[in-house]
Amino acid sequence: GESVGLHLPTLSVQEGDNSIINCAYSNSASDYFIWYKQESGKGPQFIIDIRSNMDKRQGQRVTVLLNKTVKHLSLQIAATQPGDSAVYFCAEKRGNTGFQKLVFGTGTRLLVSP
Amino acid sequence: GAGVSQSPSNKVTEKGKDVELRCDPISGHTALYWYRQRLGQGLEFLIYFQGNSAPDKSGLPSDRFSAERTGESVSTLTIQRTQQEDSAVYLCASSLGSKTNEQFFGPGTRLTVL
Repeated sequence: GESVGLHLPTLSVQEGDNSIINCAYSNSASDYFIWYKQESGKGPQFIIDIRSNMDKRQGQRVTVLLNKTVKHLSLQIAATQPGDSAVYFCAEKRGNTGFQKLVFGTGTRLLVSP
Repeated sequence: GAGVSQSPSNKVTEKGKDVELRCDPISGHTALYWYRQRLGQGLEFLIYFQGNSAPDKSGLPSDRFSAERTGESVSTLTIQRTQQEDSAVYLCASSLGSKTNEQFFGPGTRLTVL
C-alpha cells in the first residue's frame, strides 16, 4: 500500500556533527514533500518543503534532497546543536483534486549529545 | 503572536463516555486540521475545514468521531462512546489556506481512555 516511512528510528550524533535523516516513500504522484520537527510535548513545526520537480532545496542549516528514481527523501542538518534534538517526520502532500492532505511517516528521533 | 491553542491539555475518561476537545486556530487562518497521534507513531489525518466549505471528513476512523467549526474560528472534536483504542494525542493545526505546506500546530490534547 501507499506509505511514507523512515529507515532509522533513532539517530544519535555529537554536537557539531552533520545529521542525515532519511525517508522512503512509495507514492510517486505527490506534489510536495515536507519535513516537520516535533519536540517533546509540543506539536510539530514546519522545517522545509520541496516540490516534486526539484532535487534539492536549502534552508538555514538544513538541506532537503529528493531522489525520485529510488523514492528517497533526506534531511541534512549542518552543525547539529542540542536544540535540534527532536523527532523528525517526513510528510507527503497527496491528493488528486481540491484538498491535498499531508500523509506523515512514523518519525526518526534525533539525539544530540553535547 | 498567539499560536494555536488546544484545551484541555490532558483528558482522562472512562470507556463509554463522550469527550469534547477544543481548538483555537491562529486568527485569520482559514484552514483547520485535526490529527491523531498514537504513542510513537506519526500523525494520522482526521478532518479538514476550509472556510465555509463542507469539511473533508475522509480521515475520521468511525462514526463515533465528529467535528465542528464555527466560521473561521474555534473547532471542537467530539468522540462519542470512547474506547481504549482512542487513547492518543489529538493535534489541531491551522494554516493560511490549504495550498501552503506550512501548518501551525497546537500542543495537542492527550486523551487517555481507561
